[in-house]
Amino acid sequence: AQKVTQAQTEISVVEKEDVTLDCVYETRDTTYYLFWYKQPPSGELVFLIRRNSFDEQNEISGRYSWNFQKSTSSFNFTITASQVVDSAVYFCALSGVFNDYKLSFGAGTTVTVRA
Amino acid sequence: SQTIHQWPATLVQPVGSPLSLECTVEGTSNPNLYWYRQAAGRGLQLLFYSVGIGQISSEVPQNLSASRPQDRQFILSSKKLLLSDSGFYLCAWSVSRGPTEAFFGQGTRLTVV
Repeated sequence: AQKVTQAQTEISVVEKEDVTLDCVYETRDTTYYLFWYKQPPSGELVFLIRRNSFDEQNEISGRYSWNFQKSTSSFNFTITASQVVDSAVYFCALSGVFNDYKLSFGAGTTVTVRA
Repeated sequence: SQTIHQWPATLVQPVGSPLSLECTVEGTSNPNLYWYRQAAGRGLQLLFYSVGIGQISSEVPQNLSASRPQDRQFILSSKKLLLSDSGFYLCAWSVSRGPTEAFFGQGTRLTVV
């Protein structure tokens, strides 16, 4: 079965602090795909990144970085020097052949960045 | 470029009334289409997905149904709404079956009163 766990329900930081969001997954697929989405207050989910299970190279995009560790089944997301506009709910998701590539989402982590 | 339209943005309906939410995608052909529901403060639950016209798969038993009358149109319906149907409904599309990301519409906030 596919399962994504985001243990942090809410995180509150002051602007310019770094914030790391944890994501732990379970899957029986040998090849699978991991995603992060951002849901701002407007409600629309915005796609941030897709990572393939066979590519463990970490990725950086501006203030965003992702740390994929297959050994611990984790795909963590760090926002560096957070800004108020980063306030949103962030979802980690997983897909693989055993669930027909449908996205299985974690419960989400609400990030509040205070000025 | 591809765009997804979902309407209405908000809806307040009485218990027992029918429901029809519509979603259309532009700029792509034969997309996979999805309906998700997000209850208040909760994660996203996949309700239905479709890989082609007339092909609907239901993920959970419920009071809702979905239809895909055209390639890029996906409709979520109910004959009689329940209080428990309240939530935030999101339509999404992806390029094809496979490990691709899904792109979401703006969502419909449904309140059943």
